Amino acid sequence: TQLLEQSPQFLSIQEGENLTVYCNSSSVFSSLQWYRQEPGEGPVLLVTVVTGGEVKKLKRLTFQFGDARKDSSLHITAAQPGDTGLYLCAGARYKLSFGAGTTVTVRA
Amino acid sequence: NAGVTQTPKFRILKIGQSMTLQCTQDMNHNYMYWYRQDPGMGLKLIYYSVGAGITDKGEVPNGYNVSRSTTEDFPLRLELAAPSQTSVYFCASSTRDRENSPLHFGNGTRLTVT
Repeated sequence: TQLLEQSPQFLSIQEGENLTVYCNSSSVFSSLQWYRQEPGEGPVLLVTVVTGGEVKKLKRLTFQFGDARKDSSLHITAAQPGDTGLYLCAGARYKLSFGAGTTVTVRA
Repeated sequence: NAGVTQTPKFRILKIGQSMTLQCTQDMNHNYMYWYRQDPGMGLKLIYYSVGAGITDKGEVPNGYNVSRSTTEDFPLRLELAAPSQTSVYFCASSTRDRENSPLHFGNGTRLTVT
């Protein structure tokens, strides 16, 4: 069983649409990281959220850390084909634990 | 500044063969990690190192060995390859082991054991 559950597992949308990816756990984390991974490459850090209720924006990407520090979401506004990839969340609790990821495909 | 470099990129092994996956970083990071990534399973930690000469087991260490003789290099050794070790292997490094230290990943080695 995964410590962090990501949903949905797959997401396919048209360019210009919005999407939200969820990362949930029953455990409390001191911080949570989001990575994006493109085919044939390693994951690349997008953001780290550390405070319950924190919201961080990275251009069209909005990251939120739940008040209880057990969950997080990633919202992409007006998705573009360049947003296509595997999105991974990772919670810090002594060590980093990764979710299984959400594969996002944005069709032109 | 190349970051984290892994070789080879692809490898096919027969059951029972051995091989070493190479990983080197040029960022002078003390902490280095080996993960395996399987479809639908996320990244699982195999081994990690907090500095030269110091290594420790992660979640899934069985069938693997590591060494860390220098700050730069952290090779992963498979002694008797098994089909269950078919996976994509990622090496990563970080500056220190704060819980929220970002990881810098290499581009992976895709290993198939048949």
